Amino acid sequence: EAQVTQNPRYLITVTGKKLTVTCSQNMNHEYMSWYRQDPGLGLRQIYYSMNVEVTDKGDVPEGYKVSRKEKRNFPLILESPSPNQTSLYFCASSLGSKPHQPQHFGDGTRLSIL
Amino acid sequence: AQKVTQAQTEISVVEKEDVTLDCVYETRDTTYYLFWYKQPPSGELVFLIRRNSFDEQNEISGRYSWNFQKSTSSFNFTITASQVVDSAVYFCALVQGGSEKLVFGKGTKLTVNP
Repeated sequence: EAQVTQNPRYLITVTGKKLTVTCSQNMNHEYMSWYRQDPGLGLRQIYYSMNVEVTDKGDVPEGYKVSRKEKRNFPLILESPSPNQTSLYFCASSLGSKPHQPQHFGDGTRLSIL
Repeated sequence: AQKVTQAQTEISVVEKEDVTLDCVYETRDTTYYLFWYKQPPSGELVFLIRRNSFDEQNEISGRYSWNFQKSTSSFNFTITASQVVDSAVYFCALVQGGSEKLVFGKGTKLTVNP
């Protein structure tokens, strides 16, 4: 089954404790991206990747890192999480190196930073 | 710059009413792509439609229809004879042809009451 898999689905942690949210897709998509969803703000793009080893900042990259060492994986790293990063996070992938095709989204990861 | 405005934050209707969700976009490119996504209460993001800037033909899919008007930079979504299962947050999104960034509107929460 074609899918985007995020882990964990839920995480409660404390300020400053490094965490990684994994994202994996099995559709051989070039484009992958991370979004955060906050009430009243919609979905905002954090980082995106057009292909292996090619990443760039979205609209809200502060406090996040990403890597794309393999085509299927695009982890989101919070080196020193802070409470303002409490949010619902979505990973997505699509055909091609640009988001001109429909995005396939993961089920979301709800992060709470205390 | 690219921008999407969904001015309606929340809409509440009674079942069987028709409802239109507005989406107004801003872009300087002549080539761009517009999308609608649905986020039901369960939280996943579901792709509904994609339209490119060269195709102004309106689309109908069952009870759903989309009205794309370049003259007013709008891509509105109408649900005919709404049902309770249509209750969701709906997002409009835009990517300019030369861009790698996908920009979402803030979403419209639709509640369909029985």
